[in-house]
Amino acid sequence: GAVVSQHPSWVICKSGTSVKIECRSLDFQATTMFWYRQFPKQSLMLMATSNEGSKATYEQGVEKDKFLINHASLTLSTLTVTSAHPEDSSFYICSARQGFNEKLFFGSGTQLSVL
Amino acid sequence: AQKVTQAQTEISVVEKEDVTLDCVYETRDTTYYLFWYKQPPSGELVFLIRRNSFDEQNEISGRYSWNFQKSTSSFNFTITASQVVDSAVYFCALSEATGGFKTIFGAGTRLFVKA
Repeated sequence: GAVVSQHPSWVICKSGTSVKIECRSLDFQATTMFWYRQFPKQSLMLMATSNEGSKATYEQGVEKDKFLINHASLTLSTLTVTSAHPEDSSFYICSARQGFNEKLFFGSGTQLSVL
Repeated sequence: AQKVTQAQTEISVVEKEDVTLDCVYETRDTTYYLFWYKQPPSGELVFLIRRNSFDEQNEISGRYSWNFQKSTSSFNFTITASQVVDSAVYFCALSEATGGFKTIFGAGTRLFVKA
């Protein structure tokens, strides 16, 4: 089956630094990638929708300057958490799909801890 | 606006019991897709099923079955003869045309299956 690779699996950083998370579709071309955030024992909250070659569409309340998303190719999207603060600590999950009506394939997630 | 409600926060059953996870959705679109995903303790989401709005046929896959009823806007998931390995968080999700087919998740139901 299709595989989405997400790296790193976990990262610990100091407050004020930036962290980049990569999401790759390994065996299919992902026309759309999504970034979700999940707090402990809570649901997945959609942060943004990323289409290859165009600017990401952010959900209401998500700071686009804080969470930079780049979808440079059909197989790679990156999320950069800029000037991270402890409140940004969370589990970030990427997902990808080939077509609009296709199921999502998920990365394994990245646990971000900001000290 | 699209919305998914999973009223059951946690369910605990004993192995071999049947269990039904409820999902109620809201959408104004006539074209939409419904999904169920499983999130085991490892964190990675696993796709279980996709159903489009024009197909109300119920589906059975092994011990899993799904009941889609447009009249009540419900898409319930039943596990027959539950097993300990079924313990996980189960998410119902909705993807609608108006929203660019972005996928929105319900709050999730945490299922505990005791031996």
